[in-house]
This record gives sequence, C-alpha cells and structure tokens, in this order.
Amino acid sequence: EAQVTQNPRYLITVTGKKLTVTCSQNMNHEYMSWYRQDPGLGLRQIYYSMNVEVTDKGDVPEGYKVSRKEKRNFPLILESPSPNQTSLYFCASSLSPTGVGEAFFGQGTRLTVV
Amino acid sequence: AQKVTQAQTEISVVEKEDVTLDCVYETRDTTYYLFWYKQPPSGELVFLIRRNSFDEQNEISGRYSWNFQKSTSSFNFTITASQVVDSAVYFCALSAADRGSTLGRLYFGRGTQLTVWP
Repeated sequence: EAQVTQNPRYLITVTGKKLTVTCSQNMNHEYMSWYRQDPGLGLRQIYYSMNVEVTDKGDVPEGYKVSRKEKRNFPLILESPSPNQTSLYFCASSLSPTGVGEAFFGQGTRLTVV
Repeated sequence: AQKVTQAQTEISVVEKEDVTLDCVYETRDTTYYLFWYKQPPSGELVFLIRRNSFDEQNEISGRYSWNFQKSTSSFNFTITASQVVDSAVYFCALSAADRGSTLGRLYFGRGTQLTVWP
C-alpha cells in the first residue's frame, strides 16, 4: 500500500529537549516536504527536498532542521523546541516536482511543547 | 508570488442543502495545478481533486463538483445534498510549474470549516 508514515502521531515534550519526527514514504517519490498547520493559518511549508541531499527552506523554517540522506526518509528535527512550535505537522511526498501528481500526506504529528 | 484565498472561514448548513466553497488563487505562472483536500475531524488530509491550468472543464464526482474559471482565477467546490459526514475542513491549494518556480511546492489557503447539521 502506497503511504507516507510519520512517527510519532502525538508528542508532548519540554522546552529545549531535542526531538525528531520521522517521515518515510514507500513510493520512490523524489519530492518531500514538511508543513505545519495552525488554527486560522492553514498549512505552511517548513522545508522541502527535491531529491537526496537537496533541501531548501519553505515559508517558516526557523527552529527546524531536515536531512535527506535516503530517498525514502525525510526527518524533521527540532534542536531546541519552544512553545510556539506547538502545532500539527504533516509530511508529504509527490512523484514529480512539477506538481503533476497529487501530494500524499502522512497522518500528522500533533506536537505540544510545554 | 503564489497565493490562495479561501474567504469563507466557516460555513454551516443543514443536511441535504447544497453548499459551495470558494477558492480564489493568484499566480503569474501559465502552468499550474489546483487541488482540493479534505481534513475530517480525525485530522488526516484526504486528496479530492487535481486540475491543471489548461483544463477548464468542470468535473463532477458523485455529489462533488468543481468549477474552474481562469477568467476569475477561481476553483470553487460544490457539495450537492450535503451529509453530516461531509463535515470537515476543506483546503484549496496551488502548485506552480513554470520555469523558475519552486516546483512541487503546494500553497494552501487557510481552509473552510464546513459543518453539516442533521
């Protein structure tokens, strides 16, 4: 089954404690990205990757890091989480960076930073 | 710059009513793609439709229909005979594909919360 898998689904952490949200896709997609969803703001792109070792900032990259060492994995790293990073996070992948195909989204990770 | 506007923040209807969700987009690209996603209360994002900028044909899928008008830069979504299960947040999104654009990037509207009452 084609899917994007995020882990964990829910996470409560404390300010400053480094965390990683994993994302893996089994569709051999080149393009992957991370979004955060906040009430009234819709989804905003954090980082994206066009292929292995190619990453770039989206609209709201501050406080986040990503890496793309393998095609299937695209982890999101919060080195020192702060309460304003409390949000619902989505990982997405798509076959072609031209946007021809639909984007497949993970189930979401609800992060709370206290 | 790419932008998607969903002016309706919340809509409430009673079951069996028809409802239209508005989406207005801005782009200078000649090649682009428009999408609608549904987010039910469980939180996942469900793909509904993709339309490219060269195909202005309206589309119907069961109770769902989409009206794409380049002249008004709109891609509206209508649910006919709404049901309680249609209650969700609906997002319109744009992906630009001209040379020089950030290919594959999705620009989302802020979403419309649709509530269908029994």
